[in-house]
Amino acid sequence: KAGVTQTPRYLIKTRGQQVTLSCSPISGHRSVSWYQQTPGQGLQFLFEYFSETQRNKGNFPGRFSGRQFSNSRSEMNVSTLELGDSALYLCASSLGGATSTDTQYFGPGTRLTVL
Amino acid sequence: SQQGEEDPQALSIQEGENATMNCSYKTSINNLQWYRQNSGRGLVHLILIRSNEREKHSGRLRVTLDTSKKSSSLLITASRAADTASYFCATHGGAQKLVFGQGTRLTINP
Repeated sequence: KAGVTQTPRYLIKTRGQQVTLSCSPISGHRSVSWYQQTPGQGLQFLFEYFSETQRNKGNFPGRFSGRQFSNSRSEMNVSTLELGDSALYLCASSLGGATSTDTQYFGPGTRLTVL
Repeated sequence: SQQGEEDPQALSIQEGENATMNCSYKTSINNLQWYRQNSGRGLVHLILIRSNEREKHSGRLRVTLDTSKKSSSLLITASRAADTASYFCATHGGAQKLVFGQGTRLTINP
């Protein structure tokens, strides 16, 4: 079974631009979660989608948004990029049970650099 | 905000030695998971231990959980160069929301 895939793997943008990142979950997984990893803040939860609905949200500004499609693929968008948005963005997929027992499987990440 | 703290932040040992990493967390949990990350790449799930378990093994990995002390440890036995990575513990801050510690950076020297 193929793992979680993320595209693109690397991205360079300038301040003020917007960016869209894509994540394809493991086949059969209905939940996709997004995380931001920076040296200063570590790994932080952005949001989670299940059946095309945002089910959980972290403490990030509204510039960070996402969506999920009927095939469970997900995209996240960051508008009006700031230098501090430079990070590794990771997505994870899981079966999506309502309880907290699912294992999340991570993709390789998208490295975003904002200049 | 981070749920847990990992200790030590960095660990360097010789190949063949055992490596022990510790994790402390703040709130009650259903389970605790350990992940590995190689050089800023994706996270690889290593092991999940439930709150009613005290110890769990997987190959060269041994995880313990002490819910009274809100702490867990990961032991890697007979370390190999390929074990060089960062190791994170994670708990759930919601059904599909993982809260990670800052991680332990492990270096295995040949």
